[in-house]
Amino acid sequence: GEEVAQTPKHLVRGEGQKAKLYCAPIKGHSYVFWYQQVLKNEFKFLISFQNENVFDETGMPKERFSAKCLPNSPCSLEIQATKLEDSAVYFCASTAGKNTEAFFGQGTRLTVV
Amino acid sequence: GENVEQHPSTLSVQEGDSAVIKCTYSDSASNYFPWYKQELGKGPQLIIDIRSNVGEKKDQRIAVTLNKTAKHFSLHITETQPEDSAVYFCAASRNSGYALNFGKGTSLLVTP
Repeated sequence: GEEVAQTPKHLVRGEGQKAKLYCAPIKGHSYVFWYQQVLKNEFKFLISFQNENVFDETGMPKERFSAKCLPNSPCSLEIQATKLEDSAVYFCASTAGKNTEAFFGQGTRLTVV
Repeated sequence: GENVEQHPSTLSVQEGDSAVIKCTYSDSASNYFPWYKQELGKGPQLIIDIRSNVGEKKDQRIAVTLNKTAKHFSLHITETQPEDSAVYFCAASRNSGYALNFGKGTSLLVTP
């Protein structure tokens, strides 16, 4: 597709439940990034992939968060045992390569209650 | 790691006036500096970017300047219009294949 597609748009989970977010990058793009945007607008980098391989996971919380980008499937970000502080908008972005712009999806708003 | 500071956090201008947003960065290895516009409920959209081998770039009413020595870069919007109202983010990275380090955003309001 010509845009980064994120699903679902909204997700509500009870504390302790699992949340799974999906991202389909633009066709032909080889890099995928996940960012978390909290209430005060701050973006926090979580993880990036080059094709199906983890490229940089320095921002990924060690516990509860995991991500995958498998061939012929949307990328996913999974949060086990959600906590109230996981409430945020999660954005996915993709780029065609190391010297091209990053295109962002419309985000998934996760609310943990 | 990289630290990007952005000022001001809010900016209100009259339609037709210019708006300037400034950012500083700490990592001298950063060489890619994009600016994103984010409207309510939407994802960030790239409006202009600049690389370290260029000091200035312009696209119609939008311009960006970069001073690598001082490690700061600025966004200039001329002849502002109400539809320019949004939150603007600067970012820095080693190149566009690496994670973006974002500033905290500037909420721009253009009043008719």
